[in-house]
Amino acid sequence: QVQLVESGGGVVQPGRSLRLSCVASGFTFSRYGMHWVRQAPGKGLEWVAVIWSDGNNKYYEDSVKGRFTISRDNSKNTLYLQMNSLRVEDTAVYYCAREVAVGAGSAAHFDCWGQGTLVIVSS
Amino acid sequence: EIVLTQSPATLSLSPGERATLSCRASQSVSNYLAWYQQKPGQAPRLLIYDASNRATGIPARFSGSGSGTDFTLTISSLEPEDFAVYYCQQRGNWPPFTFGGGTEVEI
Repeated sequence: QVQLVESGGGVVQPGRSLRLSCVASGFTFSRYGMHWVRQAPGKGLEWVAVIWSDGNNKYYEDSVKGRFTISRDNSKNTLYLQMNSLRVEDTAVYYCAREVAVGAGSAAHFDCWGQGTLVIVSS
Repeated sequence: EIVLTQSPATLSLSPGERATLSCRASQSVSNYLAWYQQKPGQAPRLLIYDASNRATGIPARFSGSGSGTDFTLTISSLEPEDFAVYYCQQRGNWPPFTFGGGTEVEI
């Protein structure tokens, strides 16, 4: 079945780095745009970044621009989020999410989510 | 950045009742709006995309309507498993793809 499994979360000090991974299975990964969405403890959902299906276009939420990098390896069915210069306010559960198929492509509503990986930034 | 405002923040209802949730956008997002359900400790679940299209496997008691700036999610008759937090999300004007603050449907 369609599945996304994140890993790489943990506790890290402010200013340090972390790389999240999301392994996809059960669908043709290379056909879908993929996103990272985060949720701070007890808070709502916040979109973080998107990468198009071919990896050629990437966009970021303003507060992570220049610090986070989204990437993908379609040969490994894996999505990544490299997080540098982490801040206390980056503390959240990070979800990878797949775009919903619309027509011949996909659109940025999210029909498949991973279970999430918790990132805690604390000294 | 488009701001999505959801109302009410909390909706107190009983099983079998009708739930009407609102999402208002700060500017037009055409029909590019989705609704998600989230239960504690779980990832969100897509219910409705592009304002009125039910996602795969979503029961018919969930329906979406609206366009432009005003959208509604209706649950025709609440089941016990429907008590959760609901978020709207737009893809009409991006980046960023924004979410509303959520509506909690409580018993």
